[in-house]
Amino acid sequence: AQSVTQPDIHITVSEGASLELRCNYSYGATPYLFWYVQSPGQGLQLLLKYFSGDTLVQGIKGFEAEFKRSQSSFNLRKPSVHWSDAAEYFCAVGASGNTPLVFGKGTRLSVIA
Amino acid sequence: DVKVTQSSRYLVKRTGEKVFLECVQDMDHENMFWYRQDPGLGLRLIYFSYDVKMKEKGDIPEGYSVSREKKERFSLILESASTNQTSMYLCASSSTRQGPAYEQYFGPGTRLTVT
Repeated sequence: AQSVTQPDIHITVSEGASLELRCNYSYGATPYLFWYVQSPGQGLQLLLKYFSGDTLVQGIKGFEAEFKRSQSSFNLRKPSVHWSDAAEYFCAVGASGNTPLVFGKGTRLSVIA
Repeated sequence: DVKVTQSSRYLVKRTGEKVFLECVQDMDHENMFWYRQDPGLGLRLIYFSYDVKMKEKGDIPEGYSVSREKKERFSLILESASTNQTSMYLCASSSTRQGPAYEQYFGPGTRLTVT
């Protein structure tokens, strides 16, 4: 069965600092991997996804993520955080077909001046 | 753009009431999902459906049922609401026509409070 672990429940970074949110997955085959962001009181918005090819994936809002098969990881990065990036971030893994995505428990990001 | 709408953003119901949460998507997606979201627990799948009149149990189906009479609409039903069903409910849809990595599109959520 698929599973996703986001080790950090809450991270605080200063505006302008770099960011890395960790995600580890468990899945037997090549996974489909996703990062979503949820602003307070809102639904989830897709930031980026990976399913094959280049292991460094670019997304919206200046985010990128790198797939590392040897580490079963798909960490999200941003070189310079903006106050508007404060939100909750979810990593998810999917399989082929129409099976539902499996989500991690999320990492809440706070941004301080 | 895909649009997933949910009938209410906020809902307050009394214990024992029958509650209907409605979700509609406008992109002809065959797959639809209901999650509940609680602090520290992330998103937990309640039910999903990959076709009209089809339904599959997710991880936490107890106390819930669903209905999918039309492709675009997926309803979540709380037969007899209880206080432990106070939560944020998120609907999502997807289609395998999107390609091999088909993301799920989410609605804005319904925050349900059962008193």
